[in-house]
Amino acid sequence: QKEVEQDPGPLSVPEGAIVSLNCTYSNSAFQYFMWYRQYSRKGPELLMYTYSSGNKEDGRFTAQVDKSSKYISLFIRDSQPSDSATYLCATLTGGGNKLTFGTGTQLKVEL
Amino acid sequence: SAVISQKPSRDICQRGTSLTIQCQVDSQVTMMFWYRQQPGQSLTLIATANQGSEATYESGFVIDKFPISRPNLTFSTLTVSNMSPEDSSIYLCSVSGLAGVDVETQYFGPGTRLLVL
Repeated sequence: QKEVEQDPGPLSVPEGAIVSLNCTYSNSAFQYFMWYRQYSRKGPELLMYTYSSGNKEDGRFTAQVDKSSKYISLFIRDSQPSDSATYLCATLTGGGNKLTFGTGTQLKVEL
Repeated sequence: SAVISQKPSRDICQRGTSLTIQCQVDSQVTMMFWYRQQPGQSLTLIATANQGSEATYESGFVIDKFPISRPNLTFSTLTVSNMSPEDSSIYLCSVSGLAGVDVETQYFGPGTRLLVL
């Protein structure tokens, strides 16, 4: 079993839709949860990160962590074609440096 | 954030040869890492590049295959040695420990796309 599971998609939505991207993880020691966005032929770009359980909002993006169910979510409101990319979830143990990634979900927002 | 550059951006190599990838950051950082991204697979940490000492390798990766240098706080190299087609991948440098930024935050370079024939 992979430590971080993520549906690879592809996920296709119309412009303006609310997008929900999700990951599950197995290691209870993970305390930091990140979301990266990766455009084609580019390196991953950090979108948001949260510590422990709870929600964090940044503009159209909301990250949500439920440690009791080991579930990580990223919501994108009013999705735009420019949001089309691969979204990677990643986790980190407290005091650690090694990021553990999901495989990424490919998102396409269509006009 | 940091501006991270990698050279080369892409290369096509023959099996049995070696390629050295460079990573340059525009500010001093505490930590530098090397990852591999293979199609359909998760980004996987190869090693942590330690300044002035040997790199720390993850399970499944060895120094003879992936020698790493880190001569200072802004530069590192990864060499892919004795390449085979299975080494075809994207290799990514990442950094953390920028001044004024949470140490948990890692920034990635643009990647080096390697194809081994």
